[in-house]
Amino acid sequence: LAKTTQPISMDSYEGQEVNITCSHNNIATNDYITWYQQFPSQGPRFIIQGYKTKVTNEVASLFIPADRKSSTLSLPRVSLSDTAVYYCLVGDDVNRDDKIIFGKGTRLHILP
Amino acid sequence: DTGVSQNPRHKITKRGQNVTFRCDPISEHNRLYWYRQTLGQGPEFLTYFQNEAQLEKSRLLSDRFSAERPKGSFSTLEIQRTEQGDSAMYLCASSNKIDRGRYEKLFFGSGTQLSVL
Repeated sequence: LAKTTQPISMDSYEGQEVNITCSHNNIATNDYITWYQQFPSQGPRFIIQGYKTKVTNEVASLFIPADRKSSTLSLPRVSLSDTAVYYCLVGDDVNRDDKIIFGKGTRLHILP
Repeated sequence: DTGVSQNPRHKITKRGQNVTFRCDPISEHNRLYWYRQTLGQGPEFLTYFQNEAQLEKSRLLSDRFSAERPKGSFSTLEIQRTEQGDSAMYLCASSNKIDRGRYEKLFFGSGTQLSVL
């Protein structure tokens, strides 16, 4: 499983767009990039997944450059309820036996 | 879809006692994971099952920890002779490994918060 690096914490204000970047220099050809969100006292929740270019859903957008060595989770017009920890994971689903590993994530704090 | 259910939500025990947690995954999911999480840290992998087979157990995991998933349905995680360092949130997650060619998505329960006094 490719190692990922993300900022430990970030602050932003309500109504702003927030971008969290994740570095994964050793990403393999078959690896997908997945982001989870975790609120206090809850388990992580899947947000978005992508392989290349851009993916958008009702919650967020995921931007992946051509070299795929990094990715950026974009949260449009954040609110106080977006305060959470965000985890970036990379891994593949082809002939895979190993487990899914979480890092420390990015603690996003939204200010009023 | 009733989601992943974990019981109990909270458990307080004395050092040296045994505790058992239960996880009921989403019914059609064939993979089940156990994680442990302490304050300020990401979820730490403990073990996982594909159907009833336990595929891997973390090397960092003490022999006091054991997990089962009889008949590939619910799972239990037992901790014997608990220690204060076992205090943590224990999270269960399930996934559907049938989907090929895409990284599996985990669906987590709300966890069991263990406090060892």
